[in-house]
Amino acid sequence: QSVLTQPPSVSGAPGQRATISCTGSSSNIGTGYDVHWYQQLPGTAPKLLMFGNTNRPSGVPDRFSGSKSGTSASLAITGLQAEDEADYYCQSYDTSLSSWVFGGGTKLTVL
Amino acid sequence: QVQLQESGPGLVKPSETLSLTCTVSGGSIRSSSDYWGWIRQPPGQGLEWIGFIYYSGKTYYNPSLKSRVTISIDTTKNRFSLKLNSVTAADTAVYYCARVHAFDGGNYFDYWGQGTLVTVSS
Repeated sequence: QSVLTQPPSVSGAPGQRATISCTGSSSNIGTGYDVHWYQQLPGTAPKLLMFGNTNRPSGVPDRFSGSKSGTSASLAITGLQAEDEADYYCQSYDTSLSSWVFGGGTKLTVL
Repeated sequence: QVQLQESGPGLVKPSETLSLTCTVSGGSIRSSSDYWGWIRQPPGQGLEWIGFIYYSGKTYYNPSLKSRVTISIDTTKNRFSLKLNSVTAADTAVYYCARVHAFDGGNYFDYWGQGTLVTVSS
């Protein structure tokens, strides 16, 4: 059971928008630590998708955007494409656990 | 472009020690702004941070694994290693090495190896 809670699955039709939430607490996201996001395509290693809540690494399309408010963060994907089907993980730091932590992951299905 | 490659046995017996090495290419392991870490993923499950190391040798471990984990670094060979002792079936996972970028708002993992499956079984 992760201290960062993500929905197990989300889905959307091609071209639509999908949002993945990451809910934490006052000992992680709420302390001011940033949230980072990773995309894991089937059978591959995770890939950094967003860092520092809202920053895209070079090469990540601007269809992906991040936000953070209070003890939660969100990843939004607009113009869904079949290639976006993957597992998505949020990550932050937890002061109570003294540990870098990942959310449980969300499987995005493009219908 | 930084690349990381894990190597080590794919099968370890219960109660023995899991040992993996990560070789870094395309960049120096002595980078002042980076750490070098390990993450694992049990089959069909999520990601778990194991620990990371700075080129000076300073280490940070997941408290839940700290008693069994040792991460070391060899700057002359641009590689770092993981040892996890007293393994059980619960340690069966894909083990990833990654570069950990130091960031004001909290470190993140910006380059990953392809991962290596380690199975604990007799």
